[in-house]
Amino acid sequence: QKEVEQDPGPLSVPEGAIVSLNCTYSNSAFQYFMWYRQYSRKGPELLMYTYSSGNKEDGRFTAQVDKSSKYISLFIRDSQPSDSATYLCAMSGILTGGGNKLTFGTGTQLKVEL
Amino acid sequence: SAVISQKPSRDICQRGTSLTIQCQVDSQVTMMFWYRQQPGQSLTLIATANQGSEATYESGFVIDKFPISRPNLTFSTLTVSNMSPEDSSIYLCSVGGGATDTQYFGPGTRLTVL
Repeated sequence: QKEVEQDPGPLSVPEGAIVSLNCTYSNSAFQYFMWYRQYSRKGPELLMYTYSSGNKEDGRFTAQVDKSSKYISLFIRDSQPSDSATYLCAMSGILTGGGNKLTFGTGTQLKVEL
Repeated sequence: SAVISQKPSRDICQRGTSLTIQCQVDSQVTMMFWYRQQPGQSLTLIATANQGSEATYESGFVIDKFPISRPNLTFSTLTVSNMSPEDSSIYLCSVGGGATDTQYFGPGTRLTVL
């Protein structure tokens, strides 16, 4: 069993829809949770960062962490064609102050159609 | 966040040859990381490179196959040695984001081995 599970998609939604992307994990030591967006032929770009359980909102994006269920989500409101990309969840457990080993999901490919 | 560049952006190589990938950061960073991203798979950490010490390799990756240099706080190289078609992948460098424990990625090097 992988430490982090993520549905690879592809997920296709109409413009303006609310998108829900999810990851489950098995390692209870994970405390730091991130979402990255990766456009085709580009490196991953950090979207959201959350520590422990709870919600975090940034514009059209909301990240949720439920540590009791080992489940994290990214919601995209009013989705736009420019949101079409692969979304990667990532998580880590031990803060080292300068970076740490991240464990990634496989990524969910999202397409927002006009 | 740091600005990270990689060279080359892509290359096509013959089996048995070696390729050195460069990673340049616009600010001094303690830790640099090298990842591999294969189609349909998670980003996989190859090694962590600290300036002034030997790189630390993850399980399944060895120095003879992926030698790494870290001559200063803004630069690192990864060499893929004695390449085979199985080494065809995207190789990404990243740097730690400080106290937030996040990482920022370069644009990647797309390698095809024939």
